[in-house]
Amino acid sequence: QVQLQESGPRLVKPSETLSLTCTVSGGSINNYYWNWIRQPPGKGLEWIGFIHYSGTTSYNPSLKSRVTISVDTSKNQVSLNLHSVTAADTAVYYCARVSNYDSNGYPYWCFDLWGRGTLVTVSS
Amino acid sequence: DVQLTQSPPSLSASVGDTVTITCRASQSNTITKYLNWYQQKPMRAPKLLIYAASTLQTGVPSRFSGSGSGTDFTLTISGLQPEDFATYYCQQSHTAPWTFGQGTKVEVK
Repeated sequence: QVQLQESGPRLVKPSETLSLTCTVSGGSINNYYWNWIRQPPGKGLEWIGFIHYSGTTSYNPSLKSRVTISVDTSKNQVSLNLHSVTAADTAVYYCARVSNYDSNGYPYWCFDLWGRGTLVTVSS
Repeated sequence: DVQLTQSPPSLSASVGDTVTITCRASQSNTITKYLNWYQQKPMRAPKLLIYAASTLQTGVPSRFSGSGSGTDFTLTISGLQPEDFATYYCQQSHTAPWTFGQGTKVEVK
Protein backbone atom coordinates (compact mmCIF):
# COMPACT_ATOMS: atom_id res chain seq x y z
CA GLN A 1 0.00 0.00 0.00
CA VAL A 2 0.99 3.62 -0.38
CA GLN A 3 3.27 4.91 2.36
CA LEU A 4 4.75 8.31 3.12
CA GLN A 5 8.11 8.78 4.82
CA GLU A 6 9.48 12.10 6.01
CA SER A 7 13.25 12.52 6.19
CA GLY A 8 15.73 15.26 6.93
CA PRO A 9 17.81 16.82 9.70
CA ARG A 10 16.33 16.51 13.17
CA LEU A 11 18.20 19.51 14.55
CA VAL A 12 18.35 22.92 12.91
CA LYS A 13 20.00 26.06 14.22
CA PRO A 14 18.05 29.28 14.64
CA SER A 15 17.98 31.48 11.53
CA GLU A 16 18.85 28.55 9.30
CA THR A 17 16.62 26.60 6.88
CA LEU A 18 14.62 23.53 7.82
CA SER A 19 14.57 21.10 4.90
CA LEU A 20 12.48 17.93 4.80
CA THR A 21 11.60 15.41 2.11
CA CYS A 22 8.53 13.24 1.88
CA THR A 23 9.04 10.07 -0.16
CA VAL A 24 5.96 8.35 -1.54
CA SER A 25 6.32 4.61 -1.91
CA GLY A 26 3.93 1.98 -3.19
CA GLY A 27 2.10 4.39 -5.46
CA SER A 28 2.41 7.40 -7.71
CA ILE A 29 2.71 10.99 -6.65
CA ASN A 30 0.62 11.99 -9.66
CA ASN A 31 -3.00 13.13 -9.46
CA TYR A 32 -2.85 14.11 -5.79
CA TYR A 33 -2.29 17.12 -3.58
CA TRP A 34 0.54 16.77 -1.08
CA ASN A 35 0.53 18.73 2.14
CA TRP A 36 2.83 19.58 5.00
CA ILE A 37 1.32 19.85 8.47
CA ARG A 38 3.11 20.42 11.74
CA GLN A 39 2.42 19.88 15.42
CA PRO A 40 4.50 21.51 18.16
CA PRO A 41 5.11 19.17 21.11
CA GLY A 42 1.93 18.82 23.15
CA LYS A 43 -0.02 21.19 20.93
CA GLY A 44 -2.44 21.16 18.02
CA LEU A 45 -2.07 20.85 14.27
CA GLU A 46 -1.14 23.59 11.81
CA TRP A 47 -1.44 23.29 8.04
CA ILE A 48 1.69 24.65 6.34
CA GLY A 49 0.82 24.32 2.66
CA PHE A 50 0.28 22.03 -0.30
CA ILE A 51 1.64 21.25 -3.70
CA HIS A 52 -0.17 19.56 -6.56
CA TYR A 53 1.83 17.09 -8.62
CA SER A 54 1.55 19.62 -11.45
CA GLY A 55 3.46 22.13 -9.32
CA THR A 56 0.63 24.36 -8.13
CA THR A 57 1.21 25.50 -4.56
CA SER A 58 -0.68 27.20 -1.75
CA TYR A 59 0.72 28.24 1.61
CA ASN A 60 -0.63 29.25 4.98
CA PRO A 61 -0.37 33.07 5.06
CA SER A 62 1.14 32.85 8.54
CA LEU A 63 4.18 31.07 7.06
CA LYS A 64 4.03 32.09 3.41
CA SER A 65 7.03 34.44 3.53
CA ARG A 66 9.29 31.64 4.78
CA VAL A 67 7.96 28.48 3.09
CA THR A 68 8.73 26.75 -0.18
CA ILE A 69 7.21 23.41 -1.17
CA SER A 70 8.41 21.60 -4.27
CA VAL A 71 7.78 18.31 -6.03
CA ASP A 72 10.01 15.88 -7.92
CA THR A 73 7.74 13.49 -9.76
CA SER A 74 10.69 11.46 -11.09
CA LYS A 75 11.69 10.62 -7.52
CA ASN A 76 8.14 10.51 -6.10
CA GLN A 77 9.17 13.11 -3.55
CA VAL A 78 7.79 16.31 -2.08
CA SER A 79 10.07 18.72 -0.26
CA LEU A 80 9.57 21.42 2.36
CA ASN A 81 11.92 24.31 3.03
CA LEU A 82 11.20 26.63 5.95
CA HIS A 83 13.59 29.54 6.15
CA SER A 84 14.80 31.65 9.09
CA VAL A 85 13.59 29.24 11.72
CA THR A 86 13.19 29.99 15.40
CA ALA A 87 12.42 27.86 18.43
CA ALA A 88 8.73 28.33 17.64
CA ASP A 89 9.23 26.15 14.57
CA THR A 90 10.13 23.14 16.71
CA ALA A 91 7.48 20.56 15.86
CA VAL A 92 6.66 17.18 14.42
CA TYR A 93 6.37 17.71 10.68
CA TYR A 94 4.00 15.49 8.72
CA CYS A 95 3.40 15.07 5.03
CA ALA A 96 -0.14 14.14 4.13
CA ARG A 97 -2.13 13.37 1.00
CA VAL A 98 -5.45 14.71 -0.24
CA SER A 99 -7.28 12.23 -2.41
CA ASN A 100 -11.00 12.58 -1.67
CA TYR A 101 -12.93 14.55 -4.28
CA ASP A 102 -16.57 15.50 -4.65
CA SER A 103 -18.70 14.73 -7.69
CA ASN A 104 -17.45 17.90 -9.38
CA GLY A 105 -13.83 16.87 -8.96
CA TYR A 106 -13.20 19.41 -6.22
CA PRO A 107 -10.97 18.18 -3.39
CA TYR A 108 -12.54 17.81 0.02
CA TRP A 109 -9.22 18.99 1.46
CA CYS A 110 -9.16 16.26 4.07
CA PHE A 111 -5.94 14.39 4.72
CA ASP A 112 -6.49 10.70 4.17
CA LEU A 113 -2.91 9.41 4.31
CA TRP A 114 -0.15 10.65 6.60
CA GLY A 115 3.50 9.95 7.08
CA ARG A 116 4.73 8.95 10.51
CA GLY A 117 6.11 12.42 11.08
CA THR A 118 9.53 13.63 12.06
CA LEU A 119 10.41 15.80 15.04
CA VAL A 120 12.54 18.77 14.11
CA THR A 121 14.11 20.75 16.92
CA VAL A 122 15.34 24.29 16.42
CA SER A 123 18.18 24.95 18.82
CA SER A 124 21.72 26.22 18.83
CA ASP B 1 -8.76 32.32 9.40
CA VAL B 2 -11.70 30.16 10.43
CA GLN B 3 -11.39 29.37 14.12
CA LEU B 4 -12.71 26.02 15.31
CA THR B 5 -13.65 25.50 18.94
CA GLN B 6 -14.00 21.96 20.20
CA SER B 7 -15.81 20.99 23.38
CA PRO B 8 -15.13 19.59 25.77
CA PRO B 9 -11.31 19.84 25.82
CA SER B 10 -11.28 16.48 27.53
CA LEU B 11 -13.71 13.88 28.79
CA SER B 12 -13.64 10.67 30.75
CA ALA B 13 -15.61 7.69 29.55
CA SER B 14 -15.90 3.93 29.92
CA VAL B 15 -15.86 1.17 27.36
CA GLY B 16 -19.32 0.89 25.87
CA ASP B 17 -20.28 4.51 26.46
CA THR B 18 -21.56 6.80 23.75
CA VAL B 19 -19.33 9.85 23.42
CA THR B 20 -20.15 13.11 21.67
CA ILE B 21 -17.64 15.81 20.74
CA THR B 22 -18.67 19.12 19.26
CA CYS B 23 -16.87 21.50 16.94
CA ARG B 24 -18.04 25.03 16.27
CA ALA B 25 -16.78 27.32 13.56
CA SER B 26 -16.13 30.91 14.44
CA GLN B 27 -17.31 32.76 11.43
CA SER B 28 -20.93 33.57 10.87
CA ASN B 29 -20.54 32.42 7.31
CA THR B 30 -21.29 28.78 6.95
CA ILE B 31 -18.57 26.26 6.28
CA THR B 32 -21.42 24.17 4.88
CA LYS B 33 -20.38 20.52 5.09
CA TYR B 34 -16.62 21.00 4.86
CA LEU B 35 -15.68 19.63 8.25
CA ASN B 36 -13.47 16.63 8.88
CA TRP B 37 -12.60 14.57 11.96
CA TYR B 38 -9.34 12.87 12.92
CA GLN B 39 -8.19 10.54 15.68
CA GLN B 40 -4.66 10.81 17.04
CA LYS B 41 -2.97 8.44 19.43
CA PRO B 42 0.24 9.33 21.28
CA MET B 43 3.31 9.43 19.07
CA ARG B 44 1.21 8.62 16.01
CA ALA B 45 0.03 10.59 13.03
CA PRO B 46 -3.62 11.64 12.90
CA LYS B 47 -6.03 9.29 11.18
CA LEU B 48 -8.94 10.53 9.09
CA LEU B 49 -12.25 9.26 10.44
CA ILE B 50 -14.93 11.34 8.76
CA TYR B 51 -14.94 13.92 5.97
CA ALA B 52 -17.56 16.24 4.57
CA ALA B 53 -19.21 16.27 7.99
CA SER B 54 -20.74 12.80 7.79
CA THR B 55 -18.93 10.57 5.28
CA LEU B 56 -17.11 7.71 6.91
CA GLN B 57 -13.58 7.23 5.57
CA THR B 58 -12.97 3.77 4.11
CA GLY B 59 -12.01 1.27 6.77
CA VAL B 60 -13.26 3.29 9.74
CA PRO B 61 -15.65 1.39 12.04
CA SER B 62 -19.31 2.32 11.82
CA ARG B 63 -19.45 3.22 15.52
CA PHE B 64 -17.98 6.56 14.43
CA SER B 65 -20.45 9.01 12.96
CA GLY B 66 -20.52 12.69 12.18
CA SER B 67 -23.26 15.21 11.73
CA GLY B 68 -23.87 18.90 11.35
CA SER B 69 -23.66 21.66 8.81
CA GLY B 70 -23.07 25.37 8.77
CA THR B 71 -21.20 26.19 11.96
CA ASP B 72 -22.02 23.35 14.37
CA PHE B 73 -20.80 19.79 14.03
CA THR B 74 -20.61 16.66 16.16
CA LEU B 75 -18.58 13.49 16.24
CA THR B 76 -20.27 10.57 17.97
CA ILE B 77 -18.67 7.32 19.05
CA SER B 78 -21.37 4.76 19.79
CA GLY B 79 -20.07 2.01 22.01
CA LEU B 80 -16.60 3.21 22.91
CA GLN B 81 -13.90 0.58 22.43
CA PRO B 82 -10.54 0.35 24.23
CA GLU B 83 -8.72 1.44 21.07
CA ASP B 84 -10.82 4.62 20.88
CA PHE B 85 -9.09 6.37 23.79
CA ALA B 86 -7.24 9.09 21.93
CA THR B 87 -7.36 12.76 21.01
CA TYR B 88 -9.84 13.87 18.36
CA TYR B 89 -9.46 16.90 16.10
CA CYS B 90 -11.85 18.62 13.77
CA GLN B 91 -10.58 20.42 10.66
CA GLN B 92 -12.37 22.78 8.32
CA SER B 93 -11.79 22.56 4.58
CA HIS B 94 -14.10 25.31 3.41
CA THR B 95 -11.78 28.32 3.50
CA ALA B 96 -8.01 28.31 3.18
CA PRO B 97 -5.91 28.20 5.25
CA TRP B 98 -7.30 24.90 6.46
CA THR B 99 -7.50 25.01 10.25
CA PHE B 100 -7.90 22.52 13.08
CA GLY B 101 -9.67 22.57 16.39
CA GLN B 102 -7.60 22.39 19.54
CA GLY B 103 -8.46 18.77 20.19
CA THR B 104 -10.57 16.72 22.59
CA LYS B 105 -8.86 14.07 24.66
CA VAL B 106 -10.97 11.01 25.44
CA GLU B 107 -9.63 9.36 28.57
CA VAL B 108 -10.44 6.26 30.56
CA LYS B 109 -12.90 6.86 33.37
